[in-house]
Amino acid sequence: GNSVTQMEGPVTLSEEAFLTINCTYTATGYPSLFWYVQYPGEGLQLLLKATKADDKGSNKGFEATYRKETTSFHLEKGSVQVSDSAVYFCALSAPDQGKLIFGQGTTLQVKP
Amino acid sequence: ETGVTQSPTHLIKTRGQQVTLRCSSQSGHNTVSWYQQALGQGPQFIFQYYREEENGRGNFPPRFSGLQFPNYSSELNVNALELDDSALYLCASSQPGGARSGANVLTFGAGSRLTVL
Repeated sequence: GNSVTQMEGPVTLSEEAFLTINCTYTATGYPSLFWYVQYPGEGLQLLLKATKADDKGSNKGFEATYRKETTSFHLEKGSVQVSDSAVYFCALSAPDQGKLIFGQGTTLQVKP
Repeated sequence: ETGVTQSPTHLIKTRGQQVTLRCSSQSGHNTVSWYQQALGQGPQFIFQYYREEENGRGNFPPRFSGLQFPNYSSELNVNALELDDSALYLCASSQPGGARSGANVLTFGAGSRLTVL
């Protein structure tokens, strides 16, 4: 079945460091891929998405590229801030399905 | 434009009891989905409602049931609560134009945290 695997956290970085959170997926067909972020005590917010191979999603300095050949959608940011501290979820949605399948989440802690 | 609102935000129940959680969808959204997020885990799809009908269900037993109303708001009901039902329950709504569209963006509420003792 369809699934998403994320790197385990927590990931602890100093402010202005480079961030990579790995995400790989298993799916039939051509799913849409998403990154959601969850701040403490809040629901999930869409960070970025990509709907086809080689698409790059970007938002707030975060980027992720849909790589069909490696079934990956790694999240990157060139310079993290303390305010980026949150839990990040990679997710996929299969064609003709309205549900999201999430990874287990990766906690990011950014220290000043 | 109001977002997705859920109530209550927190509640405590005991095993065997029943609980009802409520969700108001974002203005203009006609599809509502429910997810269960256990501590330290990613959200798991429970079911989705579109035009007041269940439109997809995850691997949850029948004691998890739902409703969608004409104004697109929704309820999640859980009967015979078990300790493992303790979790954050998230409601998400999405726009018209394809309840089954894989690219539809979901807007999530802040969730209802249920503790079962």
